[in-house]
Amino acid sequence: ELKVEQNPLFLSMQEGKNYTIYCNYSTTSDRLYWYRQDPGKSLESLFVLLSNGAVKQEGRLMASLDTKARLSTLHITAAVHDLSATYFCAVDSGGATNKLIFGTGTLLAVQP
Amino acid sequence: NAGVTQTPKFRILKIGQSMTLQCTQDMNHNYMYWYRQDPGMGLKLIYYSVGAGITDKGEVPNGYNVSRSTTEDFPLRLELAAPSQTSVYFCASSAGNSPLHFGNGTRLTVT
Repeated sequence: ELKVEQNPLFLSMQEGKNYTIYCNYSTTSDRLYWYRQDPGKSLESLFVLLSNGAVKQEGRLMASLDTKARLSTLHITAAVHDLSATYFCAVDSGGATNKLIFGTGTLLAVQP
Repeated sequence: NAGVTQTPKFRILKIGQSMTLQCTQDMNHNYMYWYRQDPGMGLKLIYYSVGAGITDKGEVPNGYNVSRSTTEDFPLRLELAAPSQTSVYFCASSAGNSPLHFGNGTRLTVT
């Protein structure tokens, strides 16, 4: 059974600082997604990572995937308040159904 | 350009009542999903469908039923509501091997 773990669960950071969110998963998968959720809102797709060594960047966010270590990271560079949200990784459980198993999320609070 | 539309947005049920959460998408996606999100938690998959007439259980299917008679619609039925079903319910769709598009959610309270 696929398990997805994120850490930290909560991250308070100052503007301008860098930090990394980690996503570990327990079984082999070909596809990993990162989503953002603002309070009381729906989920917005940020990145899809399809292969070992994949790296995607958008603004201050960069995601990477190491399929051998079953690890993905979401790196935040020079955080700004607008990045405050909950970030989820989600792993495709396979079987051509696109069923995603979600991590518990990381609540990011960027303080001025 | 509606995407995934869920109704209602909010609902309060008494224990033992039943209701149907509606979900419709206009993107012609074959794959549709129902997730629940408990406070401070990630999303748990309840049921999913890979096409009209095909549904299957996810991680937490007990207490729920679904049907998929058309490509567009994927309603979720709660029978005999229980306090443990208090949650935010998200419907999503995808074209397969692509990001899920989520609706805005239904916030359900069972008292």
